[in-house]
Amino acid sequence: AQSVTQPDIHITVSEGASLELRCNYSYGATPYLFWYVQSPGQGLQLLLKYFSGDTLVQGIKGFEAEFKRSQSSFNLRKPSVHWSDAAEYFCASQGGSEKLVFGKGTKLTVNP
Amino acid sequence: KAGVTQTPRYLIKTRGQQVTLSCSPISGHRSVSWYQQTPGQGLQFLFEYFSETQRNKGNFPGRFSGRQFSNSRSEMNVSTLELGDSALYLCASSLLTAFTGELFFGEGSRLTVL
Repeated sequence: AQSVTQPDIHITVSEGASLELRCNYSYGATPYLFWYVQSPGQGLQLLLKYFSGDTLVQGIKGFEAEFKRSQSSFNLRKPSVHWSDAAEYFCASQGGSEKLVFGKGTKLTVNP
Repeated sequence: KAGVTQTPRYLIKTRGQQVTLSCSPISGHRSVSWYQQTPGQGLQFLFEYFSETQRNKGNFPGRFSGRQFSNSRSEMNVSTLELGDSALYLCASSLLTAFTGELFFGEGSRLTVL
């Protein structure tokens, strides 16, 4: 069965600093990959998705993610974090006809 | 266009009761999925409905059930509530199947079981 691991439960960065959130997936082939963001009291919003092609994908709010097949990773990055980016971030994968599987999430705190 | 609407947003029940949650998808979306979110287990897939038919089901007991109406609105029901059912229940809609495209989530229904 496929699985998604987000190694960092909580990350704290300073406003203006760069950010990288890690995500590793487990699946026999290349799954569809997603990053979602959840602000407190809100539902999830899709930041970006990877289906195939260019391994660097651009998303909303200045986020990007890079797919690395050799590392089974799909890390999320942002060059300069804003205070409004404080939220919880979920990586998800979907392989074949299987259901969408989410990681446990990484909570991001942004210090002023 | 209006987003995914879930009602009620908050509710408190006691053990043994049952609860029904409602989800109105984005207009034109035919797929509705339900997820349970808890601090310990994270986001867990409950089931997906497409054109009034359950297409996929997660690993939850039979106390959890759902249905979809002809207008794509969906309800989920939990019978004989247990303390462990306390969670945020999220509904998500998508244009086609939930498994190949973008999901649009509602704000959730937060259920507390006492």
